[in-house]
Amino acid sequence: AQSVSQHNHHVILSEAASLELGCNYSYGGTVNLFWYVQYPGQHLQLLLKYFSGDPLVKGIKGFEAEFIKSKFSFNLRKPSVQWSDTAEYFCAVSGYSTLTFGKGTMLLVSP
Amino acid sequence: NAGVTQTPKFRILKIGQSMTLQCTQDMNHNYMYWYRQDPGMGLKLIYYSVGAGITDKGEVPNGYNVSRSTTEDFPLRLELAAPSQTSVYFCASSPPAGTTDTQYFGPGTRLTVL
Repeated sequence: AQSVSQHNHHVILSEAASLELGCNYSYGGTVNLFWYVQYPGQHLQLLLKYFSGDPLVKGIKGFEAEFIKSKFSFNLRKPSVQWSDTAEYFCAVSGYSTLTFGKGTMLLVSP
Repeated sequence: NAGVTQTPKFRILKIGQSMTLQCTQDMNHNYMYWYRQDPGMGLKLIYYSVGAGITDKGEVPNGYNVSRSTTEDFPLRLELAAPSQTSVYFCASSPPAGTTDTQYFGPGTRLTVL
């Protein structure tokens, strides 16, 4: 069975700071990896996804993630965060028929 | 397209009551899912369906039932509500590629069992 571990439960940053959220997974097969975001009071939406090819994946709103197979990691990055990035971020790995989500990282960006 | 819609948005139940959470999608997606979200615990899969007439258990199915009579609808039934079922419930759907494709989420139902 697949599993996902997110390193930080809460992250607090000032605007313009750089962001890196850690995600490690375990899965025995070919991995498909996702980052979802949940803005306050809203439903989850896809930020970016990795299926194959270039391990550096670019998503919406300036986010990117790097798949490092040897480290079983899929960390999310953004060079300069904005107040509007305040949200909860979920890493997920797909298995045979389902997605497994991490516990989430709450990001608070102070203006 | 409305996407994935869920009703109701909020509900308070008494212990032992039953209810059905409704989920409808208008994107002709084969795959549909029910998750519950608890603070600090992420999303846990309750049930999923790969098409009309086919359902399967997820990680936390106890206390819930589902049916999938049409492509569009995937209701979640709570038969005997318990305080442990207090949570936010999300329905999601995805195209025929299933888990290799994006899941689209509904706005959620916040359920409190007292």
